[in-house]
Amino acid sequence: GAVVSQHPSRVICKSGTSVKIECRSLDFQATTMFWYRQFPKQSLMLMATSNEGSKATYEQGVEKDKFLINHASLTLSTLTVTSAHPEDSSFYICSARERALRLEQYFGPGTRLTVT
Amino acid sequence: EDKVVQSPLSLVVHEGDTVTLNCSYEVTNFRSLLWYKQEKKAPTFLFMLTSSGIEKKSGRLSSILDKKELFSILNITATQTGDSAVYLCAGGGGTSYGKLTFGQGTILTVHP
Repeated sequence: GAVVSQHPSRVICKSGTSVKIECRSLDFQATTMFWYRQFPKQSLMLMATSNEGSKATYEQGVEKDKFLINHASLTLSTLTVTSAHPEDSSFYICSARERALRLEQYFGPGTRLTVT
Repeated sequence: EDKVVQSPLSLVVHEGDTVTLNCSYEVTNFRSLLWYKQEKKAPTFLFMLTSSGIEKKSGRLSSILDKKELFSILNITATQTGDSAVYLCAGGGGTSYGKLTFGQGTILTVHP
């Protein structure tokens, strides 16, 4: 149980374009989903928290107009990186939390974004 | 600002050794301490600890929390090469969103 999928696993895009990453909870309903960014050899940095049906809460320093998050259903959240730049290249990981499981977050396999 | 610090940052051992990984935390409205193992991709959940002094065990892995001293340890006995990974600990606060603050991780390398 508690499986989270993420799509795509890898994406290469050109500067100035937008990229959408999907995060799905496959066998549970996720009231809350989280988006993290991870640089090589560094830990997970929380970007934003999204609750189904409401606006995402962004961490300090994360541009909400650049990283658009939508949590339209209890099993799907999307992160759109708009007008991507090479410095946006990173590993993006989502996680999902089911209400009954309290603080445990279950992670998707991640998306490697490369902006050329 | 919430903070989680892990030590050591990296550790190299041989198969069969026992290792102890440390995690100290300062988390507002602390509720739980979580341990994850990260190999190539996303972290996989190991333990969640909410009460002091109660050891959680899963095979060769065990963990305990000390809420007075604000730290946790993760023990791995009889290490195997498959234990090589980054081990992350995270402190969970009492906000409605259940935010986790992650430490920087301990890179464990187990040589045959």
